[in-house]
Amino acid sequence: AQSVTQPDIHITVSEGASLELRCNYSYGATPYLFWYVQSPGQGLQLLLKYFSGDTLVQGIKGFEAEFKRSQSSFNLRKPSVHWSDAAEYFCAVAPRVDTGRRALTFGSGTRLQVQP
Amino acid sequence: GAVVSQHPSRVICKSGTSVKIECRSLDFQATTMFWYRQFPKQSLMLMATSNEGSKATYEQGVEKDKFLINHASLTLSTLTVTSAHPEDSSFYICSDRKAGLGDTQYFGPGTRLTVL
Repeated sequence: AQSVTQPDIHITVSEGASLELRCNYSYGATPYLFWYVQSPGQGLQLLLKYFSGDTLVQGIKGFEAEFKRSQSSFNLRKPSVHWSDAAEYFCAVAPRVDTGRRALTFGSGTRLQVQP
Repeated sequence: GAVVSQHPSRVICKSGTSVKIECRSLDFQATTMFWYRQFPKQSLMLMATSNEGSKATYEQGVEKDKFLINHASLTLSTLTVTSAHPEDSSFYICSDRKAGLGDTQYFGPGTRLTVL
């Protein structure tokens, strides 16, 4: 069965420091890959997505993610974190093959705290 | 990205009553919408896939008679929690699916349901 693992439940970084959030997936074939961000009490906002092509994907708010097939990973990075980046981050996957069920499978999330 | 609205954003009801949550796709016609449930500090769990003009597809363990889903038009899906109980208190989030490459999902702001 497909699964998404975000090994870090909670990460704290200082403002201005770099950030990397890990995501690993287990799937029959390379799925579509997504990163979403959720502020407290809010819905999810799409940060970026990978379908094919260049394995380094640029997203909004200065985020990027790199797809590594050999490691089944899709880690999210940002070179300099801002206090407003404090939120919950979810990695998600969806199947490439249309099985009639294109719902997302989410990781458990990583809560990012930013220290001044 | 696409815009999805949900109404209400917050609702408090008494045990035994029914609550309807609306999800609207504002900028394109969504033949498929999804309903997720999120408990505090947890990830999103898919409840059901809402298909316009046909019956919803429920995930295993989700009671279809308790969580009624109607997708009467291409821009509106509703989730009705019937005979609500305190354990139904949760954050309910809908999404719509933009057909095409990757079938990207865009999420509503969520509805906080509290059952007393």
